[in-house]
Amino acid sequence: VQLVESGGGLVQPGGSLRLSCAASGFTFSSYWMNWVRQAPGKGLEWVADIKEDGSEKNFVDSVKGRFTISRDNAKNSLYLQMNSLRAEDTAVYFCASGYCSGGSCSRAPTNWGQGTLVTVSS
Amino acid sequence: SYELTQAPSVSVSPGQTARITCSGDALPKKYAYWYQQKSGQAPVLVIYEDSKRPSGIPERFSGSSSGTMATLTISGAQVEDEADYYCYSTDSSGNHRVFGGGTKLTVL
Repeated sequence: VQLVESGGGLVQPGGSLRLSCAASGFTFSSYWMNWVRQAPGKGLEWVADIKEDGSEKNFVDSVKGRFTISRDNAKNSLYLQMNSLRAEDTAVYFCASGYCSGGSCSRAPTNWGQGTLVTVSS
Repeated sequence: SYELTQAPSVSVSPGQTARITCSGDALPKKYAYWYQQKSGQAPVLVIYEDSKRPSGIPERFSGSSSGTMATLTISGAQVEDEADYYCYSTDSSGNHRVFGGGTKLTVL
């Protein structure tokens, strides 16, 4: 299993950024996917998740209306579109897959990428 | 909003048993997951569904859950187990996913 995030960088407050996560080594279309972030020196914060077929999406309250999660199962890729960025969105963003066990699948983050840093600053 | 509460730090000597707890109102009905994060690295899942251990995780790592508290136990902690440990679960509605604030484990 390999997850590789990209798209991070420096952006001004109010700006936009699109993160990508390239998945390999597993059947991407069969698993929930997550975005989790970690502000510098702080703990983990779940940001969003998306069902295997994209039919269900959930977000932490602090990003609702500003962030969008999507996936392209044909390209084995996960995305996070971030708009109206704020200083408090500064963090390393990780993508993480869910898992399947005993015939059922869970959205809980299981395999993680190494993360991409997003810095929101003027 | 839903919260999971962890002690900020735990310290043990090598070979001792470390216990890291996580409390949350929905834990009687929802699974707890535990992650280990070493400095500068991505988190690693060490326990899922309260007490199951993923392949490749040493047997000294175990998990349990009773009432509103989940516990990660490291039996015979080793220096390489020094890390931040986070619990993760959902609220009773299943709509909100949260991590605990994290516990820094020191083994010295």
